[in-house]
Amino acid sequence: SQKIEQNSEALNIQEGKTATLTCNYTNYSPAYLQWYRQDPGRGPVFLLLIRENEKEKRKERLKVTFDTTLKQSLFHITASQPADSATYLCALNQAGTALIFGKGTTLSVSS
Amino acid sequence: GAVVSQHPSRVICKSGTSVKIECRSLDFQATTMFWYRQFPKKSLMLMATSNEGSKATYEQGVEKDKFLINHASLTLSTLTVTSAHPEDSSFYICSARAASGPHTDTQYFGPGTRLTVL
Repeated sequence: SQKIEQNSEALNIQEGKTATLTCNYTNYSPAYLQWYRQDPGRGPVFLLLIRENEKEKRKERLKVTFDTTLKQSLFHITASQPADSATYLCALNQAGTALIFGKGTTLSVSS
Repeated sequence: GAVVSQHPSRVICKSGTSVKIECRSLDFQATTMFWYRQFPKKSLMLMATSNEGSKATYEQGVEKDKFLINHASLTLSTLTVTSAHPEDSSFYICSARAASGPHTDTQYFGPGTRLTVL
């Protein structure tokens, strides 16, 4: 069955450093890989979408890479801030289908 | 843009009662809406996919007679938890996919509804 793993359940870093989160998947060939941010008691907020034919995408301090050979995506937050503390979810889907989510990585940025 | 609302945000009910949760796309039309459930420290689990004007498609293990879904318009889907029991207590989140425009591949999520069944 399809499996999505976000390797770290929790990641603690200092303000100003780059946070790198990992998402691996098996038994799946997604057309899209998406990253969401979720704060406690709230719904996920869309951050970035990357397509299977794209290697990298950037948005402000965020960068996502997508390696379909390794079946892996890396999510980077540069110059991290305490306000970046949240749970980050990796999600995959095919065109027109529902997203399948990983369990998430909870990032804590300390000042 | 791409705002999804849910109502109510929090509901507490007695065992055996039914609870209706509304999901609305406020500034776009959504041909497809999705309902997820999330338990503490767990991932979002897809319950069902609903397309406007047709019956919802339920994931394996989700009882369609217990979780009634209606997608009556391009901006509104409702989830009714019938005869709720304490084990139905959870965080219910809806999402919507735009019918047109640049973001049809993305799902936009509502803020969630915390259901507590006593």
